Amino acid sequence: NAGVTQTPKFQVLKTGQSMTLQCAQDMNHEYMSWYRQDPGMGLRLIHYSVGAGITDQGEVPNGYNVSRSTTEDFPLRLLSAAPSQTSVYFCASSPRRDSDQPQHFGDGTRLSIL
Amino acid sequence: GQNIDQPTEMTATEGAIVQINCTYQTSGFNGLFWYQQHAGEAPTFLSYNVLDGLEEKGRFSSFLSRSKGYSYLLLKELQMKDSASYLCAVSPPRSGNTGKLIFGQGTTLQVKP
Repeated sequence: NAGVTQTPKFQVLKTGQSMTLQCAQDMNHEYMSWYRQDPGMGLRLIHYSVGAGITDQGEVPNGYNVSRSTTEDFPLRLLSAAPSQTSVYFCASSPRRDSDQPQHFGDGTRLSIL
Repeated sequence: GQNIDQPTEMTATEGAIVQINCTYQTSGFNGLFWYQQHAGEAPTFLSYNVLDGLEEKGRFSSFLSRSKGYSYLLLKELQMKDSASYLCAVSPPRSGNTGKLIFGQGTTLQVKP
């Protein structure tokens, strides 16, 4: 099993450019999430999804869009990149159970906006 | 809302015991997680508490007191490889198991010889 796979691992963008961060999981997990991690601020939830066709906003959704057309994939789109979006982005997944389950994280995408 | 506080940095000696605290002000939560994150890597799951009390897993233990708004992670017999950031996170109320977690800022632990 590959687990949670994020691509690309590194990316540099210019202000105003758009791009999509890819996230795929092969564990048939229903739940997927996107977080950003900035120094001194821990992980903050951007968007999450409880299943194909269902998404919802987290703590810091502005400037980001998501969609969940399949169970496996949960891409994160930056429509017009801003320097404030320079961060490390983590995708995570977990299975649906009656109780909380640990999340499985991808290796992250390190994004710099110039 | 949720407000989760952890010390920013801690230093301890190899072979010793260290306790990393997590305090929170929240209207309620389902459960509390601890994750470990080595520099440049993804967070990995360490422990989960839903009931008050101590959960032990080898060298690592985690404690929760809902009435006091307090959790801690206890690391025994510290090893150099335990140098990492330790993240406290809660799953918000009424979210069930949705993969939605609120994290503290993390505690960076440095283990010295």
